Amino acid sequence: AAGVIQSPRHLIKEKRETATLKCYPIPRHDTVYWYQQGPGQDPQFLISFYEKMQSDKGSIPDRFSAQQFSDYHSELNMSSLELGDSALYFCASSRRGLETQYFGPGTRLLVL
Amino acid sequence: GENVEQHPSTLSVQEGDSAVIKCTYSDSASNYFPWYKQELGKRPQLIIDIRSNVGEKKDQRIAVTLNKTAKHFSLHITETQPEDSAVYFCAAISGGRSNDYKLSFGAGTTVTVRA
Repeated sequence: AAGVIQSPRHLIKEKRETATLKCYPIPRHDTVYWYQQGPGQDPQFLISFYEKMQSDKGSIPDRFSAQQFSDYHSELNMSSLELGDSALYFCASSRRGLETQYFGPGTRLLVL
Repeated sequence: GENVEQHPSTLSVQEGDSAVIKCTYSDSASNYFPWYKQELGKRPQLIIDIRSNVGEKKDQRIAVTLNKTAKHFSLHITETQPEDSAVYFCAAISGGRSNDYKLSFGAGTTVTVRA
């Protein structure tokens, strides 16, 4: 079965640079969630989208923004990167009205 | 918001023995409780979930129990195998507007199955 696709899988950036992470949900899933997971930590909710509209917001820095497109894929834009942004970034998708979320393979971001 | 606590943080069991992980949650409106297994550097993988209208659910060697009154739920793994070694996260759906299903995770339990 098709799963959530994330790209790139690995990303190395310098401080103050920008990064764009992409997420392609499972076919027929219309809701996307972004989570950040630091080393040894649990995933922390950042932001979610449904039908191209932001539906909820968590602990996402103002330097980050995200959007969902008409094909339901989503992009997380990160600017002025800091060392502390180094983490695994997961995207998860679900169908509206259903709680079950399926996670993508993640993007490992390293900020030097 | 929802606050999920998970215990223990580490668990070492002999192959064939059972493992139990316990979680508590704070938001009485939470009604969906999934468990994820995560191997090092990989994605959280949903292994079982339970909704608040059910007290227990079982899938082969894995079972989850829910006590809504006490606001706690537990994962039980029987006949553990080396491939069960991983970090296990409990989670709960945070309260809020209908259809906003952001997950609040526990801190995780590192399970090691000794051969």
